[in-house]
Amino acid sequence: DTGVSQDPRHKITKRGQNVTFRCDPISEHNRLYWYRQTLGQGPEFLTYFQNEAQLEKSRLLSDRFSAERPKGSFSTLEIQRTEQGDSAMYLCASSSAHTEAFFGQGTRLTVV
Amino acid sequence: GEDVEQSLFLSVREGDSSVINCTYTDSSSTYLYWYKQEPGAGLQLLTYIFSNMDMKQDQRLTVLLNKKDKHLSLRIADTQTGDSAIYFCAASDSNYQLIWGAGTKLIIKP
Repeated sequence: DTGVSQDPRHKITKRGQNVTFRCDPISEHNRLYWYRQTLGQGPEFLTYFQNEAQLEKSRLLSDRFSAERPKGSFSTLEIQRTEQGDSAMYLCASSSAHTEAFFGQGTRLTVV
Repeated sequence: GEDVEQSLFLSVREGDSSVINCTYTDSSSTYLYWYKQEPGAGLQLLTYIFSNMDMKQDQRLTVLLNKKDKHLSLRIADTQTGDSAIYFCAASDSNYQLIWGAGTKLIIKP
């Protein structure tokens, strides 16, 4: 296992388009987190899953954002009708309960 | 909710020790973390400390925790150019989610 993997690494999209990002966690980790990071800021928590259950989603930035983890393994984060303000780095992390989180390299989204 | 604060920049000479400070607000935070982020790279866990510990040492890294003052510090001994990065402090909240500081950019002077 090579760690948390995110795809794609970079995405450029036109305003109004939908985008979907994928995260493959470390295989034995049951928790999976999504964060957003903008320039000069720390990561901002969006949502997390324990196995396939989404236990916290109130901090998703708007109803244009949704995440799934259908089989408790990989996860997807979708942003509908993208806006320029959505441009950021989207980070995925995984952990076992009560241990440190390991991060992927992130997906950098640019909305033009 | 939890709030985590760090100074934005620290400049040190190569070979000196760097001390990066962090304060947090939630006294029930169970774990406190230091992550390193190099330009264009993901977040790398450096070290973490349980809230029932005062100090943790790992090679050149020393973490000090003052629970009374809710103050966490990371000391990097013999700072090298490869230590140039942004260092993030993070605290776990009651749901074991991480709340992050804005990061401290460590600048190494020759």
